[in-house]
Amino acid sequence: DQQVKQNSPSLSVQEGRISILNCDYTNSMFDYFLWYKKYPAEGPTFLISISSIKDKNEDGRFTVFLNKSAKHLSLHIVPSQPGDSAVYFCAAGRYNTGNQFYFGTGTSLTVIP
Amino acid sequence: GAVVSQHPSRVICKSGTSVKIECRSLDFQATTMFWYRQFPKKSLMLMATSNEGSKATYEQGVEKDKFLINHASLTLSTLTVTSAHPEDSSFYICSAISGGLYEQYFGPGTRLTVT
Repeated sequence: DQQVKQNSPSLSVQEGRISILNCDYTNSMFDYFLWYKKYPAEGPTFLISISSIKDKNEDGRFTVFLNKSAKHLSLHIVPSQPGDSAVYFCAAGRYNTGNQFYFGTGTSLTVIP
Repeated sequence: GAVVSQHPSRVICKSGTSVKIECRSLDFQATTMFWYRQFPKKSLMLMATSNEGSKATYEQGVEKDKFLINHASLTLSTLTVTSAHPEDSSFYICSAISGGLYEQYFGPGTRLTVT
């Protein structure tokens, strides 16, 4: 049973515009959320995280929004750059369970120059 | 940032043989390491959680006798795929965390092909 879902397998955005990647989760006990970026044949790289006590966290061009009532989070990339083209995974977990996280299926972002 | 390495990066083996994959945290002590498997166009599937000096905790559906995990030190965990079959062919990724860190740091992955 997929506890974390990314319903858009792919997304294309023009360079300079905003990229919005979405993620939904089903387990209301999740209280920590992360986004990872992955290039082919490489391991994921941590991008940004958010805990359930916040609804927004910003780091440079990357902002993550959390809507707990909707069990939904999103990653905004502004402005999008060609180097942002990669697969983005969201992950969710609980602080007190040994940092065991569950990953979504990923969204492949293509930023068109 | 924290660096995690995996060795080998690619391995091809014959059906019925065993393959060992190493995961090392290079600049920090990893209290916990995780092993994932990724199928094409699929999510990262958590296989097991490994704590130094104790037995690994396997996810439901993962055969512990087939996927042997040893976390011998705070910087090294190994995954041994025993009696490999073609259906074990996959991309295996490890990650590591240190106490107080909630972000997992991932290794570059190992591509296993069983012929």
